[in-house]
Amino acid sequence: GNSVTQMEGPVTLSEEAFLTINCTYTATGYPSLFWYVQYPGEGLQLLLKATKADDKGSNKGFEATYRKETTSFHLEKGSVQVSDSAVYFCALSAANAGKSTFGDGTTLTVKP
Amino acid sequence: EAEVAQSPRYKITEKSQAVAFWCDPISGHATLYWYRQILGQGPELLVQFQDESVVDDSQLPKDRFSAERLKGVDSTLKIQPAELGDSAMYLCASSPEDRGPDTQYFGPGTRLTVL
Repeated sequence: GNSVTQMEGPVTLSEEAFLTINCTYTATGYPSLFWYVQYPGEGLQLLLKATKADDKGSNKGFEATYRKETTSFHLEKGSVQVSDSAVYFCALSAANAGKSTFGDGTTLTVKP
Repeated sequence: EAEVAQSPRYKITEKSQAVAFWCDPISGHATLYWYRQILGQGPELLVQFQDESVVDDSQLPKDRFSAERLKGVDSTLKIQPAELGDSAMYLCASSPEDRGPDTQYFGPGTRLTVL
């Protein structure tokens, strides 16, 4: 079946540091890949997505590239801010199936 | 911007009691999902509707959980009786497409605590 494996957290960084959160997946066919962000007490918000190999999703300074050869979709940001502190979820949506499979989330804390 | 609405936002109940959660998807979205998110884990699908029909309820504990979307718009998820292990965040999401690479829009969730 489909699965998503995320880098274990928590991750603690200083403001302006470089961020990488690793995500690898297992799926049949060609899934779409997503990163969601969840702030405390809130639901999930879509951060970015990519629907085919070599696509790069980007939003709010975050980016991730769909790497089919390594089945990866790592999240990166060049300079994090305190306001980026949240839980980040990697997810996939398989072709012909609307539901998403999520990783367990990575908690990011950014300190001033 | 249209949003998925959920209520209540928080619910505290005692075990063996019945609880119900409500979700109103974004207008025009045919697909509706209920997810359960246990603390420290990612969401797991409980049930997926296409209009008023259940598409996938393979992970729904049917002995105690039920879900309906009678008119193909809003939906109710019920637990009876609630157990301690049901404490979690229950998320509703909707999508404008029924299949394929789509984007789901999530509501704020209902946090359930079972005492």
